[in-house]
Amino acid sequence: DTGVSQNPRHKITKRGQNVTFRCDPISEHNRLYWYRQTLGQGPEFLTYFQNEAQLEKSRLLSDRFSAERPKGSFSTLEIQRTEQGDSAMYLCASSPESQNTEAFFGQGTRLTVV
Amino acid sequence: AQSVTQPDIHITVSEGASLELRCNYSYGATPYLFWYVQSPGQGLQLLLKYFSGDTLVQGIKGFEAEFKRSQSSFNLRKPSVHWSDAAEYFCAERDNFNKFYFGSGTKLNVKP
Repeated sequence: DTGVSQNPRHKITKRGQNVTFRCDPISEHNRLYWYRQTLGQGPEFLTYFQNEAQLEKSRLLSDRFSAERPKGSFSTLEIQRTEQGDSAMYLCASSPESQNTEAFFGQGTRLTVV
Repeated sequence: AQSVTQPDIHITVSEGASLELRCNYSYGATPYLFWYVQSPGQGLQLLLKYFSGDTLVQGIKGFEAEFKRSQSSFNLRKPSVHWSDAAEYFCAERDNFNKFYFGSGTKLNVKP
């Protein structure tokens, strides 16, 4: 069991640049979630996929954010024209479709926009 | 909308003392409830979960939690805290699509 893997673990970028994060879920999990966690807060839901279909997007996900899961396996989260307010930990989680289960979280990608 | 409240932002306990972290949820007659722990710079590790059945659930690392429907609470407890328990603890509720709603967390400090 390799768990949920996120890359990179840390990213420092200049304001206005684009960044892309990758998440590799647990292989048999068909649901994949992205969360954002700012300092002193709990994670907040951004979006989720069932297989390759993006089923829901939070209003937190502005038009500068886009997420894909092209083959229903790994997912990418891209932020265009980064702003300092985008600095946060971006967490990915995956789960099977079953009701009686939890989500399994990756270690996160810490983004710092300078 | 679902929401989870953790009223205590910081808690400090002495090593060996008992611990109780409070959590209140807002949604659902039969909620799916979780406690996660997060060490600095790390992801979330599941401590325990409640779906139904026995209202006292046991988790890893000696933690337990009790679901009380009448109080809409799911408090986390540990009889004797170890220095390695210092971390941030998040209570969460899940909807039918496995979306999680987290509280704002409680930071636990452990005094030697």
